[in-house]
Amino acid sequence: AQSVTQLGSHVSVSEGALVLLRCNYSSSVPPYLFWYVQYPNQGLQLLLKYTTGATLVKGINGFEAEFKKSETSFHLTKPSAHMSDAAEYFCAVTLSAGQNFVFGPGTRLSVLP
Amino acid sequence: EAQVTQNPRYLITVTGKKLTVTCSQNMNHEYMSWYRQDPGLGLRQIYYSMNVEVTDKGDVPEGYKVSRKEKRNFPLILESPSPNQTSLYFCASSTFRGGGHYEQYFGPGTRLTVT
Repeated sequence: AQSVTQLGSHVSVSEGALVLLRCNYSSSVPPYLFWYVQYPNQGLQLLLKYTTGATLVKGINGFEAEFKKSETSFHLTKPSAHMSDAAEYFCAVTLSAGQNFVFGPGTRLSVLP
Repeated sequence: EAQVTQNPRYLITVTGKKLTVTCSQNMNHEYMSWYRQDPGLGLRQIYYSMNVEVTDKGDVPEGYKVSRKEKRNFPLILESPSPNQTSLYFCASSTFRGGGHYEQYFGPGTRLTVT
């Protein structure tokens, strides 16, 4: 069965600093990988996804993530944090369309002025 | 406008009183899912459906039932709710197409409290 770990339940960065949110997965075959963002009292919004092709994936709001099969990782980065990036971020994995979709426990990102 | 709707948005009920949370999508998506979100645990999948009359258990199905009689609807049924089912519930619909195309939309959530 797949599982997802996110290192750091809470990450704080200064405005303008690099954002790095870590995601590692366990899977017997290459999975589909996703990052979602959840703002307070709201639902989830897809930031970016890896399904096939290029391993460096660009998403919305300046975020990107790189699928590294050898490291079973899919870390999320943004070169310069903005106050509006403060939210909870979830990494998720599924093996194929419509199957069991597994989320990580989430990382809360705080952006300090 | 593409959307997933859930009703009710908030519900307070008592142990053992059957309830249904409805979910509807207007995008003709094949796949629909239910999740519960609890602090520190992220979202955990309860049930998912790959099409009409095709459903399967997710990671935490105990105490829940679902049905998919129509493509657009995927209700979540709690036959005998218990306090440990107090949670925030999300419905989602999704589609995968060729070339890596994927989209998934989440509903606004239903906050359920069972006393």
